[in-house]
Amino acid sequence: EVQLLESGGGLVQPGGSLRLSCAASGFTFSSYAMSWVRQAPGKGLEWVSTISGSDGNTYSADSVKGRFTISRDNSKNTLYLQMNSLRAEDTAVYYCARGPNIAAAGNFDSWGQGTLVTVSS
Amino acid sequence: SYELTQPPSVSVSPGQTARITCSGDTLPKQYAYWYQQKPGQAPVVVIKKDSERPSGIPERFSGSSSGTTVTLTISGVQAEDEADYYCQSADSSGTYWVFGGGTKLTVL
Repeated sequence: EVQLLESGGGLVQPGGSLRLSCAASGFTFSSYAMSWVRQAPGKGLEWVSTISGSDGNTYSADSVKGRFTISRDNSKNTLYLQMNSLRAEDTAVYYCARGPNIAAAGNFDSWGQGTLVTVSS
Repeated sequence: SYELTQPPSVSVSPGQTARITCSGDTLPKQYAYWYQQKPGQAPVVVIKKDSERPSGIPERFSGSSSGTTVTLTISGVQAEDEADYYCQSADSSGTYWVFGGGTKLTVL
């Protein structure tokens, strides 16, 4: 069974930094692209960043480019999101998701339960 | 940036058919996916690659595509189908993923 467990969320001041982690189990982690998707309170889903399985290519939404960095440690089956220069509009539940299959323009097929990031003074 | 457009809300009575549309310029070239999200829960994919139903998803869920619009159809809607539904696809490069704004399905 695929399991994704996010951690690292919390309250941070505007301009601050936070690192999210996602521990994966139940599948061959290095074989899959992994992503972060966020959802602001009462709002819709927004794709944030994706990292490919083995070659480490990364892709990010314009809204976070230059501020957020996605990375992974395949030896620890863990996905990360380093968030810098945080803004109030970054307040959201951040989901770790498996996928998409980049070559096949696939979907996010498994999701964690999310971790809440609140940016406020 | 690329956008997918969905109606904010759809309402149907139990047993009726609900249709939720999603429009985007690259939908003729990129697959669309549909997710169901209930309050306090993570999204679950209900339709893959425009019209494929994943295992475990009831047969009343179906998807179709025509030009720049894809449609999620729920036949014989049940109370448990009340949820937010999101379409998702990619831009022409295939490396910039987008969700529609979401449609709240209300079962009257």
